[in-house]
Amino acid sequence: EVQLVESGGGLVQPGRSLRLSCAASGFTFDDYAMHWVRQAPGKGLEWVSGISWNSGSIGYADSVKGRFTISRDNAKNSLYLQMNSLRAEDTALYYCAKDGDSSGQKAFDIWGQGTMVTVSS
Amino acid sequence: DIQMTQSPSTLSASVGDRVTITCRASQSISSWLAWYQQKPGKAPKLLIYKASSLESGVPSRFSGSGSGTEFTLTISSLQPDDFATYYCQQYNSFRGFGQGTKVEIK
Repeated sequence: EVQLVESGGGLVQPGRSLRLSCAASGFTFDDYAMHWVRQAPGKGLEWVSGISWNSGSIGYADSVKGRFTISRDNAKNSLYLQMNSLRAEDTALYYCAKDGDSSGQKAFDIWGQGTMVTVSS
Repeated sequence: DIQMTQSPSTLSASVGDRVTITCRASQSISSWLAWYQQKPGKAPKLLIYKASSLESGVPSRFSGSGSGTEFTLTISSLQPDDFATYYCQQYNSFRGFGQGTKVEIK
């Protein structure tokens, strides 16, 4: 079964850091680009960051650029999001998502169930 | 950055209705447009990719059209399971979502 399982969320104070992980199974992880998408409570979807199969191409939303770092370990079938200098507006459910094909022509076909990050003092 | 604008934000409809949701891009994205359905407490589900390609397992009452900057998602005959929030997403340049359209029971 193709599956993505996020972990690492929790309650953190403003200005602190948190590292999210996403464990992939059921597919050849290093064939696909991967992404983080977040959803604040009661709000819409926001793309956060994406990384190509070989980490050669990385992108960030303007709202997180310079604070968040995406990475992957293909040997461990894992995706990561290092979040520094966290703000209240980073409070959200964070999903990892898989590109639908290796050429990036099919959008996100598999999503995890998300991990909640709450930034509050 | 490419901005995606959906309309309407909320749509009230009845079972059996034909429903159309529009998504506009701030610049041309060719056909790099996807549609997702999200139900409360669940992850989004891919319905349509490349503007008009139906994802495997998605009912044929869902269809997508458009290219360039204007796109539509059509549900030909709304079913009880279709009441949800729908998002468009561009994947021409990085990624970006529309603000969502909630389809409610009339």
